[in-house]
Amino acid sequence: DVKVTQSSRYLVKRTGEKVFLECVQDMDHENMFWYRQDPGLGLRLIYFSYDVKMKEKGDIPEGYSVSREKKERFSLILESASTNQTSMYLCASSVPTGINQPQHFGDGTRLSIL
Amino acid sequence: AQSVTQLDSHVSVSEGTPVLLRCNYSSSYSPSLFWYVQHPNKGLQLLLKYTSAATLVKGINGFEAEFKKSETSFHLTKPSAHMSDAAEYFCVVSDPRGSGNTGKLIFGQGTTLQVKP
Repeated sequence: DVKVTQSSRYLVKRTGEKVFLECVQDMDHENMFWYRQDPGLGLRLIYFSYDVKMKEKGDIPEGYSVSREKKERFSLILESASTNQTSMYLCASSVPTGINQPQHFGDGTRLSIL
Repeated sequence: AQSVTQLDSHVSVSEGTPVLLRCNYSSSYSPSLFWYVQHPNKGLQLLLKYTSAATLVKGINGFEAEFKKSETSFHLTKPSAHMSDAAEYFCVVSDPRGSGNTGKLIFGQGTTLQVKP
């Protein structure tokens, strides 16, 4: 079974801090994704990566960056956290064999910026 | 452009009665469609997927969905609701754009299913 692990379930940080959210998958998937989830807005894609050191912007990349140095690990970075980045963050992974493949999700990190 | 609309933000049923969660999609391509479920404080779990093989798709936990191209719909149903079905449900369409054949997903806004005893 695919396992996607996010390092923290709950995180509280202060405005202006640099925040790292970590995600690790154990199924050798090429594709990895970061979403944020807000009530009434569903899931919105922040960044995704289809290979080591490769990344592409999603729909809402502003204020975020990512790092993929190893295949199994995909990090989301908030360079200078702001209160409007308080949200649930979800990581996902998938194989690259076309559009029919589902994504597998971690349990999420609930981030609060004070 | 592809999009997906979940017609109800909240659905309430009694335990043992049928469940219907409605989803309409818009796609310029042959879509792949998914339903995911999210229980409180958990990630998303795949319920079922449509990939053009059969229009009636069976998923886990007794759920199924029917792809109707003429109606651009992909409604999720279950004959008899269980208390454990209370969760948020997302209808999702796959976007074939993007690099490396990544299969980006476009999510509906979600439907919260409440199951009353």
